[in-house]
Amino acid sequence: NAGVTQTPKFQVLKTGQSMTLQCAQDMNHEYMSWYRQDPGMGLRLIHYSVGAGITDQGEVPNGYNVSRSTTEDFPLRLLSAAPSQTSVYFCASSRDATYGYTFGSGTRLTVV
Amino acid sequence: AQTVTQSQPEMSVQEAETVTLSCTYDTSESDYYLFWYKQPPSRQMILVIRQEAYKQQNATENRFSVNFQKAAKSFSLKISDSQLGDAAMYFCAYRRPINTGTASKLTFGTGTRLQVTL
Repeated sequence: NAGVTQTPKFQVLKTGQSMTLQCAQDMNHEYMSWYRQDPGMGLRLIHYSVGAGITDQGEVPNGYNVSRSTTEDFPLRLLSAAPSQTSVYFCASSRDATYGYTFGSGTRLTVV
Repeated sequence: AQTVTQSQPEMSVQEAETVTLSCTYDTSESDYYLFWYKQPPSRQMILVIRQEAYKQQNATENRFSVNFQKAAKSFSLKISDSQLGDAAMYFCAYRRPINTGTASKLTFGTGTRLQVTL
């Protein structure tokens, strides 16, 4: 099983550029989430989805968009990159609300 | 809102010894789940152990065990016979078993960095 696959693993963007972080899972999980990890702050929820066609905002949604057209895919779009979005981004999926999330390997994003 | 607090930014343990990482949380709910995640230098988040709040028995997974004190809202992780491969960031996390909305999100503490020395 591939689990949760995130691409790319590393990315450097210039301020103002846009890009999409890809996330796919092959476990037929309904729940998917995007987190960002910053030093000293743990992981903070950006957006989440409880099924295809259903998404909602987390704690830090500004500057990011998501969509969930299939159960498997949950891409995260940066609309206009800013240095404050320099972070490590994790996609995660979960079978239901009683289990922990399975995480992808993360994307280290640097905005210059 | 639920909060998770890890008050030990760094801990150190000698190989083969036992170490306990602390975690406290704040919630008004009676039904919830608690987790410990390990993040080695590879940055992969690995689920170490899961505890169901309605179960009094402490969860164990090989050398990893928890001390779950529901009334005190405390959830510590004990690592026995520490190994060099245990060196990592450890995150405590909380989740409510509600199948809608952000109530089902995973809330993390800020982490404890564990060093393992020879």
